[in-house]
Amino acid sequence: EAQVTQNPRYLITVTGKKLTVTCSQNMNHEYMSWYRQDPGLGLRQIYYSMNVEVTDKGDVPEGYKVSRKEKRNFPLILESPSPNQTSLYFCASSRITDTQYFGPGTRLTVL
Amino acid sequence: GNSVTQMEGPVTLSEEAFLTINCTYTATGYPSLFWYVQYPGEGLQLLLKATKADDKGSNKGFEATYRKETTSFHLEKGSVQVSDSAVYFCALTHMDTGRRALTFGSGTRLQVQP
Repeated sequence: EAQVTQNPRYLITVTGKKLTVTCSQNMNHEYMSWYRQDPGLGLRQIYYSMNVEVTDKGDVPEGYKVSRKEKRNFPLILESPSPNQTSLYFCASSRITDTQYFGPGTRLTVL
Repeated sequence: GNSVTQMEGPVTLSEEAFLTINCTYTATGYPSLFWYVQYPGEGLQLLLKATKADDKGSNKGFEATYRKETTSFHLEKGSVQVSDSAVYFCALTHMDTGRRALTFGSGTRLQVQP
C-alpha cells in the first residue's frame, strides 16, 4: 500500500529535550515536506526537500532541523523544543510535478 | 505573497442539503488549486484539484471550478451525508517552482446532522 508514515503519532515532552519525528514514504517520491497545523492558521511549511541531500527552509523553519540521507526518509528534529512548538505536524511527499500526499500527523505537546 | 481565504465555520447542514464552501485566493501567475479534507483524528486527504483556469475538479460528489477572473475555487456538493462531516481546506501551490509549498486556508469545519 502506498503511504506516508510518521512516528510517533503522539508525543508529550518537556522544554529542551531533543526529539525526532520520523517520516517515511514507500512511493519513491523525490519531494518531501514538513508542515505544522495550528488552529486558525491552516498548515504552514517548515522545511522541504527536493531530493536526497537537498533541503531548504519553508515559511516557519526556526527551531527545526531536517535531513534527507535516504530518499524514503525525512526526519524532523527539534534540538531544544519549546512550548510554542506544540502543534500537529504533517509530513508530505510527491513526485516533483505531482500532488502532495500527507501522512497521518504527529501531535506534539511541549510542556 | 500567496494567500487563501476560506469562509469561517462551522457550517452545519442537514443530511441531503446543498453545500457551498467559499474559497478565494491571492497569488501571482497561475497556481494549481486543491481541496483537502481532514476527517476527525486523521491526516489530510486530497479531495480534488484543478491546475488551470476553468478546470473543474470533482470527486465523491464534490466539485470545484477554477475561476481566474474571480480568483475563486468554491467547493460544492449537491447532497451532503453525515459521513461528509470533516474539516475542509482550500490550498494552492505553484507546481513549477522548487519549493512547491502548499498555501492553505484556515479550514472550514462541516457538520452534517441526520
